[in-house]
Amino acid sequence: KAGVTQTPRYLIKTRGQQVTLSCSPISGHRSVSWYQQTPGQGLQFLFEYFSETQRNKGNFPGRFSGRQFSNSRSEMNVSTLELGDSALYLCASSRGDPGTYEQYFGPGTRLTVT
Amino acid sequence: AQTVTQSQPEMSVQEAETVTLSCTYDTSESDYYLFWYKQPPSRQMILVIRQEAYKQQNATENRFSVNFQKAAKSFSLKISDSQLGDAAMYFCAYRRGGGSNYKLTFGKGTLLTVNP
Repeated sequence: KAGVTQTPRYLIKTRGQQVTLSCSPISGHRSVSWYQQTPGQGLQFLFEYFSETQRNKGNFPGRFSGRQFSNSRSEMNVSTLELGDSALYLCASSRGDPGTYEQYFGPGTRLTVT
Repeated sequence: AQTVTQSQPEMSVQEAETVTLSCTYDTSESDYYLFWYKQPPSRQMILVIRQEAYKQQNATENRFSVNFQKAAKSFSLKISDSQLGDAAMYFCAYRRGGGSNYKLTFGKGTLLTVNP
């Protein structure tokens, strides 16, 4: 079974631009979560989607948004990029059934904002 | 809000020896899960071991075991017979119980070096 895939793997953007990152969960998984990883702040939860609905949201500004499609694939978007948005963005998928708790992480997208 | 603290930014161990990584957490919840994740350099994060708070028995997975002290809110990871492939950043993580909450709260991580 294929793992969680994220595209692109690396991205360089300029301050003020916007960016869209994509995540394809493991087949059959309906929950997708996004995390931002930086050396200073560590791993921080962005949001979680289940069956196209946002179930949980972290403490990030409105410039960060996401969505999930009917095939469970998810995208996150960051508008008006700032230098501080440079980070590794990780996606994790889970079956999403009550009582299940294992999340499987993708390799991440490394975003650099210049 | 829940917090997870890993007090050891870096640890080192000799190959074949045993090492223990520390983790403490703070929560007012009674139903929750705890995890240890491993992130090798430039590689994917993988789940090492998990512990359900309602279970008194400590979880074990081959060479990996935990010491779960619920009253002390402590959740340490013991790696026995350390191997070179164990070198990685290790993250302790917390998740509230309940079926619709998959948010993980992570500690800052412990960088483990394994010396040959």
